[in-house]
Amino acid sequence: DAGITQSPRYKITETGRQVTLMCHQTWSHSYMFWYRQDLGHGLRLIYYSAAADITDKGEVPDGYVVSRSKTENFPLTLESATRSQTSVYFCASRRGLEQFFGPGTRLTVL
Amino acid sequence: DAKTTQPNSMESNEEEPVHLPCNHSTISGTDYIHWYRQLPSQGPEYVIHGLTSNVNNRMASLAIAEDRKSSTLILHRATLRDAAVYYCILRDINTNAGKSTFGDGTTLTVKP
Repeated sequence: DAGITQSPRYKITETGRQVTLMCHQTWSHSYMFWYRQDLGHGLRLIYYSAAADITDKGEVPDGYVVSRSKTENFPLTLESATRSQTSVYFCASRRGLEQFFGPGTRLTVL
Repeated sequence: DAKTTQPNSMESNEEEPVHLPCNHSTISGTDYIHWYRQLPSQGPEYVIHGLTSNVNNRMASLAIAEDRKSSTLILHRATLRDAAVYYCILRDINTNAGKSTFGDGTTLTVKP
């Protein structure tokens, strides 16, 4: 089915480990985004990408790295996970003025 | 992107209309008003957007004040499935990106 998929859906890791969250979209939308949502709060933008090989920082980029070698994939890497990065991570793409969100990845850092 | 202010929570009875307010006093002429909602344990989903005129779609209506400093999302007949967090966001069409952060939104509770 067309849409945005995220993997894994749930992840538990330990402080200091590297973690990569995957995001895949089937629409070939140019713009893609990564947000984090802490418990009881709204979404904050981590990084976004306007096209393959073009990425830019959002509001809370520290501790995260992104890449986009193909239009359909936009992985997010936590280079050395910290407890403060425990959150739900949402990937999104954009068509025109409308964003489409994935189901989220719940990450717990112990 | 300019900021918005929404009430933390609202309650409604099932099958009654719901009016969700949003204040955006610093809105610029090129800011579109967007509404998204987030059902429990899901990612946000698009509801509606507008610039100056009122807008209707199958999900909701968007009423925009004449000075554009506030707007109201209208759910004509709330159902239990409309219980969600509703986010009001401003996006500048000229920046050509979804750089705006979602605030804490309004948590809508629908009572049977």
